[in-house]
This record gives sequence, C-alpha cells and structure tokens, in this order.
Amino acid sequence: AQSVTQPDIHITVSEGASLELRCNYSYGATPYLFWYVQSPGQGLQLLLKYFSGDTLVQGIKGFEAEFKRSQSSFNLRKPSVHWSDAAEYFCAVGAGNAGNMLTFGGGTRLMVKP
Amino acid sequence: DVKVTQSSRYLVKRTGEKVFLECVQDMDHENMFWYRQDPGLGLRLIYFSYDVKMKEKGDIPEGYSVSREKKERFSLILESASTNQTSMYLCASNLGGTGGLNEQFFGPGTRLTVL
Repeated sequence: AQSVTQPDIHITVSEGASLELRCNYSYGATPYLFWYVQSPGQGLQLLLKYFSGDTLVQGIKGFEAEFKRSQSSFNLRKPSVHWSDAAEYFCAVGAGNAGNMLTFGGGTRLMVKP
Repeated sequence: DVKVTQSSRYLVKRTGEKVFLECVQDMDHENMFWYRQDPGLGLRLIYFSYDVKMKEKGDIPEGYSVSREKKERFSLILESASTNQTSMYLCASNLGGTGGLNEQFFGPGTRLTVL
C-alpha cells in the first residue's frame, strides 16, 4: 500500500526567506503526486501536481516542487516566503482507481515570522 | 470555478445519534470523496463514489456509510455517532479519469463534535 511521510510537523521561517517542505512517498509504480495548501478555516487548494515529464513542476503562488524518483521525494520549495503563505501544507500520492484515490501525508504547518 | 459545498460548518451531536453530513458539487463531476482530517494524521479517505449508487471503501470506512442517489450529492452517514468520530470532515470531487484530470476540489469542511 502507498504511504506519504512529511517529516516536519511544524516549520517557522522569516518572511522573505526561502522554504523547502519535505515529502517522501512509498508507491510501487509511477506515482501521481500533489501538494495542497489549507489556509486557516479554508478547504484544501491544489498548489501543483506531477504525473510525468519534467521533474520540476511549477505551481501557483510561486511554489515549485521537484520529483526525485531515486529518493522517492517530492519536496516543495519557494524562493521567498510571504506572510500570507502561513498555512498547513499536505503532500499526497494518487494510487488506486486511476490515481483518483489519494493518500495524504500528515501535513506540515508553516509559520512565518515578520 | 468548481464549487463544493457542505451542509454545515459546525455540528454538535450526542453519542448514539444518527448523523448525516451532506455534500453538493456543481460541476458534474463523476467522483466524490469523504475524508476525515485529524491533527498529525492528515486526511484519511473514508469512502469514494465513482458514479451514482456506486461506492468504494477507503482507508477507514468502519462506523460510516455513504449514499449517492444523485450525481451532484454525496452523503456521509454515521449510524451511531461515537466520541472517537469527533473530527473535521472534508468532502471533495473530481472529474475522474486519468492524467491531469484527477485534481480534487474540496469543500470547506464540517467540524463535528460528538459529546
């Protein structure tokens, strides 16, 4: 069965600093990979996704992620964090039923210092 | 824009009550999902429906059932609510298929407290 690990439960960065959120997955085949963000009191919003092709994926709000098959990782990055990026971030892998059934990681809560 | 709505943002019920959580999507999506979200555990799939009257168990279906009588509506039912079902419940939908089509769109969630 597939699984997703987000090793960092909480991360605090200063506004303007760079950000990297880690995600490791376990899945036997080529995965569908997603990053979602949940702002306080909001539903989840898709930041970016990877299915195939270029391993560096660009998303919304200036985020990008890199798929590394050899490391089973799909880390999320942003070069300069804004205070509005404070939220919880979830990595997910799509598996069963043509990738429609998602398995999520436990989430990383990002706090941004002024 | 896709809109997924959930009937309540907050709900308080008593142990043993039957609880219905309703979800409606307005984009003619084939698939609908119910998740529960708990701190540190992320989202866990309870049930998935890929067509009217069709369903598939997710990772944690015990204590829950679902109903999908119309394409746009997917209900989660707690037959006899228990305190360990206190959680945030999220509904989602997607177009189905493969490739770039399986982005899921989420509702705002229902925070259920069982006393």
